[in-house]
Amino acid sequence: NAGVTQTPKFQVLKTGQSMTLQCAQDMNHNSMYWYRQDPGMGLRLIYYSASEGTTDKGEVPNGYNVSRLNKREFSLRLEPAAPSQTSVYFCASSQDGGTGNTIYFGEGSWLTVV
Amino acid sequence: AQSVTQLDSQVPVFEEAPVELRCNYSSSVSVYLFWYVQYPNQGLQLLLKYLSGSTLVKGINGFEAEFNKSQTSFHLRKPSVHISDTAEYFCAVEDDYKLSFGAGTTVTVRA
Repeated sequence: NAGVTQTPKFQVLKTGQSMTLQCAQDMNHNSMYWYRQDPGMGLRLIYYSASEGTTDKGEVPNGYNVSRLNKREFSLRLEPAAPSQTSVYFCASSQDGGTGNTIYFGEGSWLTVV
Repeated sequence: AQSVTQLDSQVPVFEEAPVELRCNYSSSVSVYLFWYVQYPNQGLQLLLKYLSGSTLVKGINGFEAEFNKSQTSFHLRKPSVHISDTAEYFCAVEDDYKLSFGAGTTVTVRA
């Protein structure tokens, strides 16, 4: 049961570099999300995709871009990376957002920007 | 937009003692409410959720939560905790296609 798979799990970047976090789900879900987790702040939504072909900004979109490549895949790009983007990133998916469906999370990507 | 307040950032508790984690939300409309658990170095997994109906919701691992509309609360309880319940717990409310999370409550269970 793969569920939501995100890569890489760990990454160290230099300020100004670019990188893409990859995410794929095998549950045929329509909605996908990217969150970041920082100590004492819970999880904050960066971007989401309610369905294939659509993306929308969440609470903290600045400094990020996303691509819903197809129904399975939703990538997050940092370009350029900044130290403030040091965080743990979680990709998630649900059958359909806004209906009380369970959101399933990946295991996280630990990103450090130096 | 919804907001979620978890009233305790850290809750130490002895093994086999009860625990209650408090959560309040702001909303003027019907909501869907969730509790998620995060074990160290892992992603989040669903403990339970309230969509409608009975205000007492039972979840996995012996947890339950009570929805109180008048007090806009959704507190999580477990009558007897185990060492393995040591984790961070997040309350969340669904708003317009997405979840808004509280800051989290770290539960540390001691023998």
